[in-house]
Amino acid sequence: GAGVSQSPSNKVTEKGKDVELRCDPISGHTALYWYRQSLGQGLEFLIYFQGNSAPDKSGLPSDRFSAERTGGSVSTLTIQRTQQEDSAVYLCASSLPASGPSYNEQFFGPGTRLTVL
Amino acid sequence: AQSVAQPEDQVNVAEGNPLTVKCTYSVSGNPYLFWYVQYPNRGLQFLLKYITGDNLVKGSYGFEAEFNKSQTSFHLKKPSALVSDSALYFCAVRDGDNTGKLIFGQGTTLQVKP
Repeated sequence: GAGVSQSPSNKVTEKGKDVELRCDPISGHTALYWYRQSLGQGLEFLIYFQGNSAPDKSGLPSDRFSAERTGGSVSTLTIQRTQQEDSAVYLCASSLPASGPSYNEQFFGPGTRLTVL
Repeated sequence: AQSVAQPEDQVNVAEGNPLTVKCTYSVSGNPYLFWYVQYPNRGLQFLLKYITGDNLVKGSYGFEAEFNKSQTSFHLKKPSALVSDSALYFCAVRDGDNTGKLIFGQGTTLQVKP
């Protein structure tokens, strides 16, 4: 079956421009996550959507970052007025319901490599 | 707050030898612990998880991990390393009982030499 897909795979942009990164989760997965992986650093949690609940935005580093998930499926991460420190690989993951004791593992997409010049 | 630590940036092992990648955790409440692997130019892949039950958890590709409550550790192990095991390994902990959010360690690069 199809896994998590992300587009574009690479994005080069100029400082100050806005970018949109897209994530298509595995069909039927109600939970969707965004992480950021910077060079030499681990994975940094950004935001988490679970069904119709309010998203957990606690990891968004600034108000330049936002994300939405339309129709409980596709998600878009938007970075406004990009800065050089935003350069990283942005990873999306999805899972079956992730609340309560029956925790379901996350499946990751290949990532979008963002370079801000 | 939940956290995990991977004390080694890199682990070097000869092919055929046993390998251990270390992880320690700090949680309030029940620990939900995970190992993921990232092969070069590929996304993260789930290896195994500990939620409850046996302290020795078996996962993909012959890997296993031992949950040790007294030492707050969850080390990843394999009896006989392969060159193809060379990759970046991440330990992670669930950030509470009612969230899917994972907190990841900094990662450990495993280098298996022929």
